Amino acid sequence: SQTIHQWPATLVQPVGSPLSLECTVEGTSNPNLYWYRQAAGRGLQLLFYSVGIGQISSEVPQNLSASRPQDRQFILSSKKLLLSDSGFYLCAWSPLAGVSYEQYFGPGTRLTVT
Amino acid sequence: GESVGLHLPTLSVQEGDNSIINCAYSNSASDYFIWYKQESGKGPQFIIDIRSNMDKRQGQRVTVLLNKTVKHLSLQIAATQPGDSAVYFCAENRRDSSYKLIFGSGTRLLVRP
Repeated sequence: SQTIHQWPATLVQPVGSPLSLECTVEGTSNPNLYWYRQAAGRGLQLLFYSVGIGQISSEVPQNLSASRPQDRQFILSSKKLLLSDSGFYLCAWSPLAGVSYEQYFGPGTRLTVT
Repeated sequence: GESVGLHLPTLSVQEGDNSIINCAYSNSASDYFIWYKQESGKGPQFIIDIRSNMDKRQGQRVTVLLNKTVKHLSLQIAATQPGDSAVYFCAENRRDSSYKLIFGSGTRLLVRP
């Protein structure tokens, strides 16, 4: 069966510090991968998605970047965090090809920028 | 712009009653819809999905209804239990953006004991 991991689970970082959040998927090959951000009490905002190694599409211009160095690894980064980067970051995967577009989510990382 | 949205931000129901959570969408090109459940501090979990060539789909204690005429989607939960308390999101897939889901803003379901 497929599983998706995210770490760290929680993170408190000062403004101006760098960020690296990691997501890995097990039990599948060639998945589509996604990074979302969720503000408190709000919906999900798609930040990046990737359909293959090195292929990143950005949905919202911002202080963040994403990379996919391996097939099942997706990394979210920032060189200098802003207060507005605080939120709940979710990674998700979906099959590259199929009859449905269901996405499966990881447990999330709670980021607080102070 | 076009979006998926919800009518009710919070729904409070008595344990054992049925719950109905509604969602409106505006893009007629959407052909696939999903309901997710998100418990506090956790990632969303898949509940049930439906394709646009269907009007109704049933799962365990849940039913999704799709009315394409009025672009309306609903999730019905039978015999609501305390464990059903969560935020529920609908999401749509549009034919012109097959890799992406567009999420609604969510409805919080509170189950009273």
